[in-house]
Amino acid sequence: KAGVTQTPRYLIKTRGQQVTLSCSPISGHRSVSWYQQTPGQGLQFLFEYFSETQRNKGNFPGRFSGRQFSNSRSEMNVSTLELGDSALYLCASSLGASGFGANVLTFGAGSRLTVL
Amino acid sequence: KNQVEQSPQSLIILEGKNCTLQCNYTVSPFSNLRWYKQDTGRGPVSLTIMTFSENTKSNGRYTATLDADTKQSSLHITASQLSDSASYICVVSTQTGANNLFFGTGTRLTVIP
Repeated sequence: KAGVTQTPRYLIKTRGQQVTLSCSPISGHRSVSWYQQTPGQGLQFLFEYFSETQRNKGNFPGRFSGRQFSNSRSEMNVSTLELGDSALYLCASSLGASGFGANVLTFGAGSRLTVL
Repeated sequence: KNQVEQSPQSLIILEGKNCTLQCNYTVSPFSNLRWYKQDTGRGPVSLTIMTFSENTKSNGRYTATLDADTKQSSLHITASQLSDSASYICVVSTQTGANNLFFGTGTRLTVIP
């Protein structure tokens, strides 16, 4: 079956712009979580959506937002981009809520964002 | 404070050799521990997941161990191959709290011929 699909794979933006990233989970998976990955910080949790509701949120400013649609596809938006937002943004899907029991996270290949 | 620490940060080994990566955590209450492999430019891929009662779990040439008493885990790679070159990330899950996944910063493994 198809894996987790993230689009776009690469994008370049300038400071002050906004960006929207998309994630299509594995068919049947209801949970989608988003992570920011930078060389120095590793993977940092942004938020998780389960059945169209935000279930958890990490410690990121309000410029980072997301949503999940009825087909479980998810989008995340970053407004007023800063240089420090340059990172690999990963989404992961799982059958149930991430972290609980043996729910395995399946990650997408990520969207590489560069802010100039 | 819930934390996951991995060591070493990076490691270079010769093809065919074995290696062991370490993960220490302070996450409580513990639910499970996962090891992921992340190739450059790709998303992490699950290798193993272990619950409190499991001491060892294997996935091909990868063997993970868990000591829940000392809160330590290791990932042992046997007969390394060039394709093992990747980052290995330890993730610990807790049973409670809103954000219940804690990530290590990973070990960067390079296998050279």
